[in-house]
Amino acid sequence: DQQVKQNSPSLSVQEGRISILNCDYTNSMFDYFLWYKKYPAEGPTFLISISSIKDKNEDGRFTVFLNKSAKHLSLHIVPSQPGDSAVYFCAARETSGSRLTFGEGTQLTVNP
Amino acid sequence: DGGITQSPKYLFRKEGQNVTLSCEQNLNHDAMYWYRQDPGQGLRLIYYSQIVNDFQKGDIAEGYSVSREKKESFPLTVTSAQKNPTAFYLCASSPSGQGRSPLHFGNGTRLTVT
Repeated sequence: DQQVKQNSPSLSVQEGRISILNCDYTNSMFDYFLWYKKYPAEGPTFLISISSIKDKNEDGRFTVFLNKSAKHLSLHIVPSQPGDSAVYFCAARETSGSRLTFGEGTQLTVNP
Repeated sequence: DGGITQSPKYLFRKEGQNVTLSCEQNLNHDAMYWYRQDPGQGLRLIYYSQIVNDFQKGDIAEGYSVSREKKESFPLTVTSAQKNPTAFYLCASSPSGQGRSPLHFGNGTRLTVT
């Protein structure tokens, strides 16, 4: 049972344009959501998070949007840069939980 | 320089042998985790520990064992009972097992079993 789903295995965008990565979840107990970025043969690094009491959180070029009614979140990267090319993972945690549940990841490629 | 150290980076074993992956953190974090990454399947939780001398099974614990005798160490043993052990293994930690703290990851160990 995949509780966190990233339906797009890959995304390709032009440098300077917007990248939009999507994530859906099924568990209504999730109340904290995170995005991680991962390069090959390295561990994921934390990018940005959002609590369920908010619908938007912004940090520089990165903005995460949360739509609780649709159980959907998205990560926007503006403007996209070639160095942003990596696998992006969406993750979620329950209110009183310890474990983080990850999606399958989306490979973002930003073309110069 | 605080962080999570996983060693070795690459590990090769013959089928039927147990192998232990090391994970050490000097972040003074209470919680530690082991995930496995396979192509197209994201990160799947193997085991986690919220406190010394205590740990819980994750989603794919079969064929694995762990110990948490010290706060800074959380070794993972891949036993011969694990049917598909070849994978990229990631260790992580967080200040506590709950709340708004993200996980911090090590750089992983690539295990190849032939």
